[in-house]
Amino acid sequence: GNSVTQMEGPVTLSEEAFLTINCTYTATGYPSLFWYVQYPGEGLQLLLKATKADDKGSNKGFEATYRKETTSFHLEKGSVQVSDSAVYFCALSDLGANSKLTFGKGITLSVRP
Amino acid sequence: ETGVTQSPTHLIKTRGQQVTLRCSSQSGHNTVSWYQQALGQGPQFIFQYYREEENGRGNFPPRFSGLQFPNYSSELNVNALELDDSALYLCASSLEEADTQYFGPGTRLTVL
Repeated sequence: GNSVTQMEGPVTLSEEAFLTINCTYTATGYPSLFWYVQYPGEGLQLLLKATKADDKGSNKGFEATYRKETTSFHLEKGSVQVSDSAVYFCALSDLGANSKLTFGKGITLSVRP
Repeated sequence: ETGVTQSPTHLIKTRGQQVTLRCSSQSGHNTVSWYQQALGQGPQFIFQYYREEENGRGNFPPRFSGLQFPNYSSELNVNALELDDSALYLCASSLEEADTQYFGPGTRLTVL
């Protein structure tokens, strides 16, 4: 079946540091890939997505590239802010009859001033 | 444009009771998916409703059931509550069944 593996957390960075959060996946076929962010006490917000190999999703300074050869979708940001502190989830969806999402466990990012 | 809304925000029940959670989809969206997020875990897919019909189900027992109404809002019903049902329940809507999902704020259910 499908699965998503995220690097172990938590991650603590200083403001303006470079961020990389690793994500790899296992799937049959050609899934769409997503990063969702969850701020404390809130639901999930879509951060970015990519629907085919070599696509780059980007939003709010975050980027991730769909790498089919390494089955990865790593999230990067060049300069993090305190407001980026949240839990980040990598997810995939099949292009089948429904778009059910399979999530990784999530990783908590804390950014210090 | 109104986003996905869920009610109630928080709920406390005891073992064996039944609960109904509600979700209003984003304007124009005809598909609603429900997820369970246990503490410290990623969300797990419960089921999806597309145009009032169940359109896929995850690995959850039959005591988890749902409904979608003609206006595409949805309910999640859980019977015979167990302690392990304590979680954040998330609803997501999408424009069509295979489209990007947008999440509501969730309902926090505590079972004592």
